[in-house]
Amino acid sequence: DIQMTQSPSSLSASVGDRITITCRASQTISTYLHWYQQKPGKAPNLLIYAASSLQSGVPSRFSGSGSGTHFTLTISSLQPEDFATYYCQQSYNTPRTFGQGTKVEIK
Amino acid sequence: QVQLVQSGAEVKKPGASVKVSCKASSYTFTSYGISWVRQAPGQGLEWVGWINPYNGNTNYAQKFQGRVTMTTDTSTSTAYMELRSLRSDDTAVYFCARESQQLAFTIDYWGQGTLVIVSS
Repeated sequence: DIQMTQSPSSLSASVGDRITITCRASQTISTYLHWYQQKPGKAPNLLIYAASSLQSGVPSRFSGSGSGTHFTLTISSLQPEDFATYYCQQSYNTPRTFGQGTKVEIK
Repeated sequence: QVQLVQSGAEVKKPGASVKVSCKASSYTFTSYGISWVRQAPGQGLEWVGWINPYNGNTNYAQKFQGRVTMTTDTSTSTAYMELRSLRSDDTAVYFCARESQQLAFTIDYWGQGTLVIVSS
């Protein structure tokens, strides 16, 4: 199975901050890497697919980059509604696997 | 708009089975895969498996092999996940989700989740 490792596991930031979350795959996954946002009690919501493509309706302050084994999700200017948990997921092969999540909290 | 509507919460005893349904609407059901993902309380996301509604092909995570069965009814655009021999650590919210081949097999829509509680 492909292991997905996110860092950090949690972070505290202020509104307006630029933050970056990293996701590493245990083997190459090309650009079959996606990012989701999840708020408490809700289903995850797709932000970025194929490493860098912004899902329709997602604000442009979210961006993704990377290929192979190293990927990043960046929020350019954190907004109050962005405080949530973020997950990466690979779809290069099965079983699909997720990172352990990064919880973004208010400083 | 695309919707996946799941069945309601379930409380089961250890050793029992549960069957969760997921009704899809506003898209061609047989053109997209359905994944099932679970989330234990306070934990991360765990992929359970996948089914292709077009031909019924399935792919299950190894840890669920032999305990899980995924099926679809194309006449009603509904997917089902049955999990047997339930244990307390199967307590989780189970999500169905649409997987899009066109978008690098990403999950682009999710159901609202079904809470399954396993308790004696």
